[in-house]
Amino acid sequence: QKEVEQNSGPLSVPEGAIASLNCTYSDRGSQSFFWYRQYSGKSPELIMFIYSNGDKEDGRFTAQLNKASQYVSLLIRDSQPSDSATYLCAASIGGGATNKLIFGTGTLLAVQP
Amino acid sequence: DAEITQSPRHKITETGRQVTLACHQTWNHNNMFWYRQDLGHGLRLIHYSYGVQDTNKGEVSDGYSVSRSNTEDLPLTLESAASSQTSVYFCASSSATDTQYFGPGTRLTVL
Repeated sequence: QKEVEQNSGPLSVPEGAIASLNCTYSDRGSQSFFWYRQYSGKSPELIMFIYSNGDKEDGRFTAQLNKASQYVSLLIRDSQPSDSATYLCAASIGGGATNKLIFGTGTLLAVQP
Repeated sequence: DAEITQSPRHKITETGRQVTLACHQTWNHNNMFWYRQDLGHGLRLIHYSYGVQDTNKGEVSDGYSVSRSNTEDLPLTLESAASSQTSVYFCASSSATDTQYFGPGTRLTVL
């Protein structure tokens, strides 16, 4: 069974620190990877996607992908209390224009003021 | 602005009743998806569609059905609601890329 695994947390970091969120996936055929942020009672909101090995930066967020290790991570620099949320990692399965996503159960991040 | 909406946002029903949850998107996306989210299980795929008249079962499709008669809508029907179907339901859509955009969700309680 294809899976995406995340530590459920909570991951507690002080304000201004770097938060590091990790994810592993089982399907070596996965080509695309996504990080979503979900506030309590709200819907998932896309933060970043990454397709290629290496790092991808967008503002305070950096996604890292290592396909050989089947590992994806999200770094949040200068963490703010407003970053406190559940972060969902997702990997694509299938191919072409008809990809499905499989989601991890999410990591709860708590940024302490 | 393009968006994806769901209705109702909250629904309480009784065991055995048929319930339909609506999902409408104005992105003109071909792909639409229904998920349920429960504590400890994350988002699980119920049904999905890659275009008009196309529907497919996801990992937790038992007791649910969908139909796709146009690009904009993918209603989810619970044929005979069960207490195990109490959950938060999210609809999502995507274009040719994988990126999925989610609706606001429907909280369903089956008594």
